[in-house]
Amino acid sequence: AQKVTQAQTEISVVEKEDVTLDCVYETRDTTYYLFWYKQPPSGELVFLIRRNSFDEQNEISGRYSWNFQKSTSSFNFTITASQVVDSAVYFCALLNTDKLIFGTGTRLQVFP
Amino acid sequence: DAGVIQSPRHEVTEMGQEVTLRCKPISGHNSLFWYRQTMMRGLELLIYFNNNVPIDDSGMPEDRFSAKMPNASFSTLKIQPSEPRDSAVYFCASRRDRGNYNSPLHFGNGTRLTVT
Repeated sequence: AQKVTQAQTEISVVEKEDVTLDCVYETRDTTYYLFWYKQPPSGELVFLIRRNSFDEQNEISGRYSWNFQKSTSSFNFTITASQVVDSAVYFCALLNTDKLIFGTGTRLQVFP
Repeated sequence: DAGVIQSPRHEVTEMGQEVTLRCKPISGHNSLFWYRQTMMRGLELLIYFNNNVPIDDSGMPEDRFSAKMPNASFSTLKIQPSEPRDSAVYFCASRRDRGNYNSPLHFGNGTRLTVT
């Protein structure tokens, strides 16, 4: 079965702390794609990153970084030096053939 | 560039009434998705169109829900009759598929539906 698990329901940190959001996936496919989306309090869903199963290199974009490990079926997301504007719900998703399957999301609250 | 446009942003209706949600995908995108978001069930895929043709409607909860895509620039999701348990945020998303389906989905701002 194709499945995405985000075990952390809610995380609270103080500004400038680093925080890692966990994502574990299940798939029988050898080729697959993983995504992260951000849903700020305003409600829209914003695409952050896509990663294919052949590329295990970690990716860094500013304060954001992603750690993809096939051995543990994980695609974790780290925010360095968090800011209040990072407060949002973050969703990990797996492409199942032609459809995105989302995890249940992790709500991140960053306090000043 | 205009993103995915959904209307209305908010809809409040009474149980038993018909509700129609509207979506305009990004121009040039050939796949369109309707998702529903609730606290209990998270983001659920309701139905998916490719080139205006429904491909997978297995997520449509029951016969009260129907979706159409009469052309490449417009889709509707209709609930008739509506029930309180249909209260949720409904998202439309579109994607440009070039045979490999791995392009990211672009979401609209959602329609928050409240059925009293």
